[in-house]
Amino acid sequence: DVKVTQSSRYLVKRTGEKVFLECVQDMDHENMFWYRQDPGLGLRLIYFSYDVKMKEKGDIPEGYSVSREKKERFSLILESASTNQTSMYLCASQRGWGTDTQYFGPGTRLTVL
Amino acid sequence: DQQVKQNSPSLSVQEGRISILNCDYTNSMFDYFLWYKKYPAEGPTFLISISSIKDKNEDGRFTVFLNKSAKHLSLHIVPSQPGDSAVYFCAAHPSQGGSEKLVFGKGTKLTVNP
Repeated sequence: DVKVTQSSRYLVKRTGEKVFLECVQDMDHENMFWYRQDPGLGLRLIYFSYDVKMKEKGDIPEGYSVSREKKERFSLILESASTNQTSMYLCASQRGWGTDTQYFGPGTRLTVL
Repeated sequence: DQQVKQNSPSLSVQEGRISILNCDYTNSMFDYFLWYKKYPAEGPTFLISISSIKDKNEDGRFTVFLNKSAKHLSLHIVPSQPGDSAVYFCAAHPSQGGSEKLVFGKGTKLTVNP
């Protein structure tokens, strides 16, 4: 079974703080993704990575950056957290492109006060 | 512009009856479609998929139908069970060309009443 883990289930931060969300997958997958889920907006892609040190912007990259130094680990960074970044953050991994399924982690509910 | 649309934000059905969740898409390059199920405070889990070379795929109580000419797909759950209550996301991507990012709909919240 593919396992995708995220460092925290719940996180509360203050406006202006730097926030790190970590994601680890154990299946040697090439592709990893960060989404956010908001009510009425579905899942929106923030960034993705198709190889170590490779990254591409998704649909809503503003205010975020990512890091992939090792194949199994993909980090999402909020440089200066703002209240509009309060959301559910979901990490996913995928073996490769084509019809390979994306497997999701349990999510991190981030609240920015 | 929304490329994958789930026009019903919510759906309520009785236990034992059929649940039908609908999804429309606009991008004619999409040829692979997936349904994910999400419980509160959990990540989405893959449910079922269909390629455009088929018009139906079945897995137990779950069947997905694809109408390419109408750019429409639907997920049927028969019989519905209370444990099926969740948010269902439709997703799509082109299956070739590289960098095939999934495009998700906004989701439909299904409630199955005992």
